[in-house]
Amino acid sequence: GAGVSQSPRYKVAKRGQDVALRCDPISGHVSLFWYQQALGQGPEFLTYFQNEAQLDKSGLPSDRFFAERPEGSVSTLKIQRTQQEDSAVYLCASSLGTGDTQYFGPGTRLTVL
Amino acid sequence: KNEVEQSPQNLTAQEGEFITINCSYSVGISALHWLQQHPGGGIVSLFMLSSGKKKHGRLIATINIQEKHSSLHITASHPRDSAVYICAVMGGTYKYIFGTGTRLKVLA
Repeated sequence: GAGVSQSPRYKVAKRGQDVALRCDPISGHVSLFWYQQALGQGPEFLTYFQNEAQLDKSGLPSDRFFAERPEGSVSTLKIQRTQQEDSAVYLCASSLGTGDTQYFGPGTRLTVL
Repeated sequence: KNEVEQSPQNLTAQEGEFITINCSYSVGISALHWLQQHPGGGIVSLFMLSSGKKKHGRLIATINIQEKHSSLHITASHPRDSAVYICAVMGGTYKYIFGTGTRLKVLA
């Protein structure tokens, strides 16, 4: 497809479960970003990749959050031992290069019960 | 105090009204973006500004770098404009700092 895609669109997890969220960026986009958006809030930065290198993970809220982009295209955000406060929309964005306009995916809405 | 603040937080307008949404920021920026988010989460980039003014259809965005302020205007508003409008600044080379958004509802 032409845009950024994310899967699943919705995920319900029981507290303590591990989840994996996938992002397919626009083909050829070097930069990839993950954001977390709590209900009624603006998105907040989680992590940034340039190709396969994770250059900034300063926004990851705890060591339960892990992101990877092993081949420089698809990225996975993994959350271990999910907790209720992890419930949010997780947004992925990609850009052609650093500083260019970011194109957002539709997001994955995670609900932790 | 948030680094990016938007006003108003919520706005209800009648169809056809002229709408203004404001964004103030406290950090140095390389660019400012106006984004539109519809129910369901998808975000669309409307404008990227580093100076002056841009226009696209019924949307106009302005920025005053000295005053650290930007406005998004919608002329002849329509119910399909109902969405959350988010101001995001790029403080460095890649990291967005987002406002909390303005929820706009346009009534027919």
